[in-house]
Amino acid sequence: DAGVIQSPRHEVTEMGQEVTLRCKPISGHDYLFWYRQTMMRGLELLIYFNNNVPIDDSGMPEDRFSAKMPNASFSTLKIQPSEPRDSAVYFCASSPSRGGGYNEQFFGPGTRLTVL
Amino acid sequence: GENVEQHPSTLSVQEGDSAVIKCTYSDSASNYFPWYKQELGKGPQLIIDIRSNVGEKKDQRIAVTLNKTAKHFSLHITETQPEDSAVYFCAATSNDYKLSFGAGTTVTVRA
Repeated sequence: DAGVIQSPRHEVTEMGQEVTLRCKPISGHDYLFWYRQTMMRGLELLIYFNNNVPIDDSGMPEDRFSAKMPNASFSTLKIQPSEPRDSAVYFCASSPSRGGGYNEQFFGPGTRLTVL
Repeated sequence: GENVEQHPSTLSVQEGDSAVIKCTYSDSASNYFPWYKQELGKGPQLIIDIRSNVGEKKDQRIAVTLNKTAKHFSLHITETQPEDSAVYFCAATSNDYKLSFGAGTTVTVRA
């Protein structure tokens, strides 16, 4: 398996532009997570889905952020309009739901976003 | 919500020595405590985890201990090797999926 796939790996944009980050989870995993990592705030959970349905979006910083999961193999995180403080590494992770409490989250390589 | 504190923020050890990272958590309902390792330019990867019904768990050179009364848990790496150099994160959750991460510990193993 190729693991969690994220695109693009690097994104540089100007303030006010729309940014779309993409994620393909591991096949068969029914949980998908979006995280943001910064030096100041560390690794933060933004939102997670179960079977394509958003379960908890309490970590989404504001209305400029939105996430969708139209099917089991694709998710997007959109920022509109982008601001310099959104600069961070954004990770997507997926996890299977299995009996016995197996909970490993498999992280993608991340998208490094720079907003100028 | 859950608040996880992690110490130290940086740790430098001689190859072959042991490394210990400590975390405390605030939510007494938390029952799942994973540890992730992040290498430069990569996403975090699970290295070991522990549930609240277990006090200690070992996997080769790494071990995790949990004290639910004191609400703290620790990662122990023995016989450290250069490939152990990375950033380590502890996390806690009460629902198996909504992880709250510590701030991370940068471990450097000196040859």
